[in-house]
Amino acid sequence: GQQVMQIPQYQHVQEGEDFTTYCNSSTTLSNIQWYKQRPGGHPVFLIQLVKSGEVKKQKRLTFQFGEAKKNSSLHITATQTTDVGTYFCAGPGQAGTALIFGKGTTLSVSS
Amino acid sequence: DTAVSQTPKYLVTQMGNDKSIKCEQNLGHDTMYWYKQDSKKFLKIMFSYNNKELIINETVPNRFSPKSPDKAHLNLHINSLELGDSAVYFCASSQVRSGRHGYTFGSGTRLTVV
Repeated sequence: GQQVMQIPQYQHVQEGEDFTTYCNSSTTLSNIQWYKQRPGGHPVFLIQLVKSGEVKKQKRLTFQFGEAKKNSSLHITATQTTDVGTYFCAGPGQAGTALIFGKGTTLSVSS
Repeated sequence: DTAVSQTPKYLVTQMGNDKSIKCEQNLGHDTMYWYKQDSKKFLKIMFSYNNKELIINETVPNRFSPKSPDKAHLNLHINSLELGDSAVYFCASSQVRSGRHGYTFGSGTRLTVV
């Protein structure tokens, strides 16, 4: 079945360092979405990418969608302690059904 | 006002009991979902309803039964609870069913079966 894979599973950085998480789908996606879940919280929608090669920025966060629409990345510049949490990518299931989530990358930041 | 609200937030119960989790959304969304998040944070789709109609029923034991009395509500009833059912259950909603819009999640129900 369709799979969405994410690496790394965990990442620890010093405050101010950059961070990147990568997402790969076994199938071509119509769109890819990114979510952030703070410790003890619930997933919160960050952004959706639709076009091949699309790049979007939200302050220190940069999101990319691959040319083949099968991979994506989230890059955080100069991490802050407020960036702590688990970042998930997700893509629509086959036949446009419910989102299939990657296993997430948990980011910890030490000051 | 909370957009997607779930109750209860915590649920501790013994094996073999039956329990229900309730979810309500005030966003006017057509589609609602139940996801299960295990201890490794993996989010797995369980059910999806579109305007009260069941459209996704993943390989979930038939001890789990969703019910949607109207498009703003999606409840989850679990019979004969087992230790392996311990997890966080998230309700979510989206504008349409196609996966082309972001989901809004509830705050989750942490179920612990002892």
